[in-house]
Amino acid sequence: GAGVSQSPSNKVTEKGKDVELRCDPISGHTALYWYRQSLGQGLEFLIYFQGNSAPDKSGLPSDRFSAERTGGSVSTLTIQRTQQEDSAVYLCASSQGGNHEQYFGPGTRLTVT
Amino acid sequence: GENVEQHPSTLSVQEGDSAVIKCTYSDSASNYFPWYKQELGKGPQLIIDIRSNVGEKKDQRIAVTLNKTAKHFSLHITETQPEDSAVYFCAASNRGSARQLTFGSGTQLTVLP
Repeated sequence: GAGVSQSPSNKVTEKGKDVELRCDPISGHTALYWYRQSLGQGLEFLIYFQGNSAPDKSGLPSDRFSAERTGGSVSTLTIQRTQQEDSAVYLCASSQGGNHEQYFGPGTRLTVT
Repeated sequence: GENVEQHPSTLSVQEGDSAVIKCTYSDSASNYFPWYKQELGKGPQLIIDIRSNVGEKKDQRIAVTLNKTAKHFSLHITETQPEDSAVYFCAASNRGSARQLTFGSGTQLTVLP
């Protein structure tokens, strides 16, 4: 079946611009996660959605970062006024509820020039 | 919060030999420990996981061991093949509260033909 998909696969933006990254989770998965992977580093948790519950935003690095999940499915991660240190691969994962294995998408590589 | 340390950061083995990657965690409440394989340009792929109620789990050439007392867990790959070359990440989570995974920093495994 279809896995987690993300778009765009690559995004180059100028410092100060806003960007939106999209994630389509596996159909039927109620939990969705965003992670950030800097070059040569492990994955850093950003935000977690579970059903209709309030999202866990504890990993967002600053108020320039926000995410929403519409209709319990597609999610968008927005970074406002991008900075060079925001350059990274942004990974989305989904699972069948919060107690199950997480399956990752291919990621969006963001480059801020 | 949870802290996961992983070593070695790089590992080279001859084809057919075994590879072992080790991780330690800090939060004694953590009870779920997955391992992910990440190939270049792709998202992490879950290869095996273990829960805190067992000490060992095996799936063909891959096995994971868990020592709760010492708070460490290890990935063992036997009869390595060139296609095993990738970056491997360990992770830990406490499914009783936060659902996000805390990742180790990764191990670049190279299997030499």
